[in-house]
Amino acid sequence: AQRVTQPEKLLSVFKGAPVELKCNYSYSGSPELFWYVQYSRQRLQLLLRHISRESIKGFTADLNKGETSFHLKKPFAQEEDSAMYYCALSGVGYGGATNKLIFGTGTLLAVQP
Amino acid sequence: ETGVTQTPRHLVMGMTNKKSLKCEQHLGHNAMYWYKQSAKKPLELMFVYSLEERVENNSVPSRFSPECPNSSHLFLHLHTLQPEDSALYLCASSQGQAGASYNEQFFGPGTRLTVL
Repeated sequence: AQRVTQPEKLLSVFKGAPVELKCNYSYSGSPELFWYVQYSRQRLQLLLRHISRESIKGFTADLNKGETSFHLKKPFAQEEDSAMYYCALSGVGYGGATNKLIFGTGTLLAVQP
Repeated sequence: ETGVTQTPRHLVMGMTNKKSLKCEQHLGHNAMYWYKQSAKKPLELMFVYSLEERVENNSVPSRFSPECPNSSHLFLHLHTLQPEDSALYLCASSQGQAGASYNEQFFGPGTRLTVL
């Protein structure tokens, strides 16, 4: 079964501290993993995807197929990073034109001053 | 208005009412989605439309009825809902492309639905 697990509902850190938001997945094929973010009073938006291997706002995420994990990391947290973070898995598409996203339950990151 | 818009932003309805949620995308996409976000549960995909045809119905009760009259508009018709249907309903769209592995989904702000 396709599933995304985010074990932490809340992660509270101080400004300048390292951040790691955990994500584990279950998928029988070759997965595509993503992190979506929702800042306060804003809509859900894509933060980064594993195939791009990019760093966005200082965040990186490495796909570890052996551990079936896609943890989101940032070496030094900033107060503006406070938001809800969702890990998502792209499942099989339909007709080549759509993508089925399976989301985790989300982790609220609170960065304290 | 750019991006994905949803109306109304808030809706309170009784169990015998009939109402509709509207989603409109201004991005030229050809795939649209309805998601349900309940407290303490992950975002759940409800329906997927590609080129105005429904390609996914994720075991959603018939009291939810989607409609996609064209590639820019998506509706969710609601009737005889239950209190447990209270949730945030999100619409999203993406640019479909044959053979593409993934196309980013752009989300609307959501409609907060309360069923009394």
